[in-house]
Amino acid sequence: RKEVEQDPGPFNVPEGATVAFNCTYSNSASQSFFWYRQDCRKEPKLLMSVYSSGNEDGRFTAQLNRASQYISLLIRDSKLSDSATYLCVVNTNAGKSTFGDGTTLTVKP
Amino acid sequence: ETGVTQTPRHLVMGMTNKKSLKCEQHLGHNAMYWYKQSAKKPLELMFVYNFKEQTENNSVPSRFSPECPNSSHLFLHLHTLQPEDSALYLCASSRIGQRAYSYEQYFGPGTRLTVT
Repeated sequence: RKEVEQDPGPFNVPEGATVAFNCTYSNSASQSFFWYRQDCRKEPKLLMSVYSSGNEDGRFTAQLNRASQYISLLIRDSKLSDSATYLCVVNTNAGKSTFGDGTTLTVKP
Repeated sequence: ETGVTQTPRHLVMGMTNKKSLKCEQHLGHNAMYWYKQSAKKPLELMFVYNFKEQTENNSVPSRFSPECPNSSHLFLHLHTLQPEDSALYLCASSRIGQRAYSYEQYFGPGTRLTVT
């Protein structure tokens, strides 16, 4: 079993749709959690951190459930520009980061 | 310059060449990372440096040799590479805080390497 597992995707949705990505992790000692976005042939860029209390940034909402070792990302009112690969990242201590394989989203007109 | 920079952005090298990739971070971070990403594949962690000490080496072949002279600079020395080593090589940096808490990583734009 992989340490971080994401929905395999791909997700193909129309503009304006709401889409949710899920991610599970196996290490209960994990400390910090993030969602990154990676465009084709570019570097990953931090989208948002994920907290137990949940956090929202515009159309994006991230949730963490430590008991279930589960992270989610919700995108509302999808835009064409949201098309990318979304990476779930789980950190333990001292710089140990594990990236999920990513879920590809394509938003169509 | 801000953020994380990498040079060169593109590199073509023969299997007998020796070259080096350079990464510099201007964020005041104390940890740096090398990743490899082959075409349409997930990121693969290669090396981690925490306060200039290598703390992770994910079974990387010895033809890849990292060097971290200080907390702002990271190099990846390459020699006798194989065609399958062609990939995007990404550098990242982050802060390691109190009690070894790991903050988010910031990536450079990468070096696209082609081995002929």
